[in-house]
Amino acid sequence: DSGVTQTPKHLITATGQRVTLRCSPRSGDLSVYWYQQSLDQGLQFLIQYYNGEERAKGNILERFSAQQFPDLHSELNLSSLELGDSALYFCASSVVGAPSTDTQYFGPGTRLTVL
Amino acid sequence: KNEVEQSPQNLTAQEGEFITINCSYSVGISALHWLQQHPGGGIVSLFMLSSGKKKHGRLIATINIQEKHSSLHITASHPRDSAVYICAVNPLSGGSNYKLTFGKGTLLTVNP
Repeated sequence: DSGVTQTPKHLITATGQRVTLRCSPRSGDLSVYWYQQSLDQGLQFLIQYYNGEERAKGNILERFSAQQFPDLHSELNLSSLELGDSALYFCASSVVGAPSTDTQYFGPGTRLTVL
Repeated sequence: KNEVEQSPQNLTAQEGEFITINCSYSVGISALHWLQQHPGGGIVSLFMLSSGKKKHGRLIATINIQEKHSSLHITASHPRDSAVYICAVNPLSGGSNYKLTFGKGTLLTVNP
């Protein structure tokens, strides 16, 4: 158990809908990362937050947004869902949010299926 | 061409064999990470390297910064080592300092 929690574990929804994925980091970790893992693209970095502020953005679509709250939990919002958004979404946390020095601890993931 | 290339894509071994998984990258990096993903999806960080070699139990990771190459070795492999092994790099610059770029992974199957 990494200490990172993600809810829900599974999510099935229809095209055009909006969903929210939630992540609670390990106690003491200030940084949260979001990743998308699809069969054809592999793991891709979406966005990183550090202590409530956005720090880095990756291949995140405009239909997706995220935030990190004062209690350090984070939410990833996916809207106008398309079939291609079906994937595993992972959250990871680390102490200071520097991949050059920090180990990242991954949550169990949320499997999103868009029908 | 992907920034991070792993080989082989698939690897099948017999229990007890010595295994090597390779990772090559094309950009300057601050660090390289090796991750393990078991069936069922959970991802665990195995190593973070910026130079040299690290060892943890039966796992050894090496990196050659000049050659832009890293290897993950598993000694005395066991069926419980069956998983996808993913290499990820933290690029040095271009606004990428806080990002990880991932390889496609190597699926390892160790048969008893």
